[in-house]
Amino acid sequence: GAGVSQTPSNKVTEKGKYVELRCDPISGHTALYWYRQSLGQGPEFLIYFQGTGAADDSGLPNDRFFAVRPEGSVSTLKIQRTERGDSAVYLCASSTIGQSTDTQYFGPGTRLTVL
Amino acid sequence: GQNIDQPTEMTATEGAIVQINCTYQTSGFNGLFWYQQHAGEAPTFLSYNVLDGLEEKGRFSSFLSRSKGYSYLLLKELQMKDSASYLCAVRDNYGQNFVFGPGTRLSVLP
Repeated sequence: GAGVSQTPSNKVTEKGKYVELRCDPISGHTALYWYRQSLGQGPEFLIYFQGTGAADDSGLPNDRFFAVRPEGSVSTLKIQRTERGDSAVYLCASSTIGQSTDTQYFGPGTRLTVL
Repeated sequence: GQNIDQPTEMTATEGAIVQINCTYQTSGFNGLFWYQQHAGEAPTFLSYNVLDGLEEKGRFSSFLSRSKGYSYLLLKELQMKDSASYLCAVRDNYGQNFVFGPGTRLSVLP
């Protein structure tokens, strides 16, 4: 596609539920990143994929968070047993490793609200 | 540890020049990025520095001093549409962890 897309744009769920957030990166981009952004803060790194594998998952806050990218394109961020503190905008970005700048292109985000 | 500092808020007048500073302390360094983020929207790329010096791109310029762990974004001929948050980010290892600062919210007044 022309840009990074994320679905849904908004997700409201109840505490304790399971949610999945989807990211469709720019075609051909091998690197994919997930971030979490709270109001008034900068994006907080969660996980980075190079191809199908998670090259760095050091930002995942705990084992309730998990992400996959089975075919090296679309990625899904999965959150189990959601808590109110998980409420944030979840941003996805992609880039082409090997370019001189490796600029990340961000999607519009998914706003997650846990009631 | 990883630490990036930026002023929280700045105000400037339409047509003026504003400089937004960023200082960083990271475990590694492989490039510094500036992004613009309008309220409720995704960050968009503005500039990239990996070597010391000034990079100019139209009304926007970015400067880097690696020895001082310091960068600034310079915006000239400010327009109302420049009102946004400006995020400084450091890539600490090639192709991996990007560390973002808290962002500077710039308000451009008529």
